[in-house]
Amino acid sequence: EAQVTQNPRYLITVTGKKLTVTCSQNMNHEYMSWYRQDPGLGLRQIYYSMNVEVTDKGDVPEGYKVSRKEKRNFPLILESPSPNQTSLYFCASSLSTGGYGYTFGSGTRLTVV
Amino acid sequence: DQQVKQNSPSLSVQEGRISILNCDYTNSMFDYFLWYKKYPAEGPTFLISISSIKDKNEDGRFTVFLNKSAKHLSLHIVPSQPGDSAVYFCAASARFGNEKLTFGTGTRLTIIP
Repeated sequence: EAQVTQNPRYLITVTGKKLTVTCSQNMNHEYMSWYRQDPGLGLRQIYYSMNVEVTDKGDVPEGYKVSRKEKRNFPLILESPSPNQTSLYFCASSLSTGGYGYTFGSGTRLTVV
Repeated sequence: DQQVKQNSPSLSVQEGRISILNCDYTNSMFDYFLWYKKYPAEGPTFLISISSIKDKNEDGRFTVFLNKSAKHLSLHIVPSQPGDSAVYFCAASARFGNEKLTFGTGTRLTIIP
């Protein structure tokens, strides 16, 4: 089944403790992206990657890192999480750029206390 | 600066009637528009899209209308069914720019049986 898999689904952590949210897709998609969803703000792009070793900032990149060492994986790293990073995170992938039919993961609910 | 706006946070419609969800955008570089549907505890799923060279696109019960001069698009669902109850996000892309998807804040649609 074609899908984007995110782990974990839920995570509660403390301020400053490094964490990684994994994202993997099995569709051989070139384009991958991370979004966060917050009440009243919709989905905002954090980082995106157009191919292996090619990443760039989205609208809200502060406090996040990403890497794209393999085509299928695009982890999101929070080196020193803070409470304002409490949010619902979605990974997405697409065969090409231009927003054609992104496939989203099921989401990761992160709480930073 | 919210480039894609959905001014109605919620909408309730009787089953069998037409649901109309609206979206406005400000960036004239956007040339591709999409609607996504999101159920609780799931990622958004692609519903329907339209290119800026068209003013209408139909797919079964779903029709998207684009008015470029007004920078406005709408999604019509007819007839509305209980399974249509979800949050709907409007998104836009400038395919020859960054090519990311910019999302609106979402409209929660409730279909009343």
